[in-house]
Amino acid sequence: AQKVTQAQTEISVVEKEDVTLDCVYETRDTTYYLFWYKQPPSGELVFLIRRNSFDEQNEISGRYSWNFQKSTSSFNFTITASQVVDSAVYFCALSEEHSGYSTLTFGKGTMLLVSP
Amino acid sequence: EPEVTQTPSHQVTQMGQEVILRCVPISNHLYFYWYRQILGQKVEFLVSFYNNEISEKSEIFDDQFSVERPDGSNFTLKIRSTKLEDSAMYFCASRGDRGEQYFGPGTRLTVT
Repeated sequence: AQKVTQAQTEISVVEKEDVTLDCVYETRDTTYYLFWYKQPPSGELVFLIRRNSFDEQNEISGRYSWNFQKSTSSFNFTITASQVVDSAVYFCALSEEHSGYSTLTFGKGTMLLVSP
Repeated sequence: EPEVTQTPSHQVTQMGQEVILRCVPISNHLYFYWYRQILGQKVEFLVSFYNNEISEKSEIFDDQFSVERPDGSNFTLKIRSTKLEDSAMYFCASRGDRGEQYFGPGTRLTVT
């Protein structure tokens, strides 16, 4: 079984639409961290957010918001009023206590295409 | 803002040749990592490095791979005898004190 599942392979939206990227994770640890990274067409991996397992508060940063729900093992990412520059592959990742938080396990990514 | 740098950005090599990929992590970070991403696929962990030794490695990181921190700034990944299936983007990352890993821009390795 995959530890991090991003069921949406590709999402296409028109500029200014809101879009939610889903992430479901699996772990036996009680302490873990969840991350979102953005990979634009240029290829680099850009860190967006880190959230620990004890902090279920939703977070908002500009047009980005994250909804962490331990009950459903989900850490979803919403972009409000999407822009063409948001077009990228977005990866959700998990870091677990039993590995000393030394590795990131990535999902397969969701490609977001925002058209004008 | 400090960042992880990697050289070269693109390396083309012939099968069986040795390659060394170089990384300069963020200066006050203590944990370093290599990941790879085969084209169109997810990012996969290769190895983590702390206190001048490997702390964890994946199944991918076999005897053909090695890592080294030859001086206070560089962190290298060596592939001894490259295979076609080693073609991928290789990312170096370093970890800050809050646990987040910052990635370099990557080195695209093409094995012909």
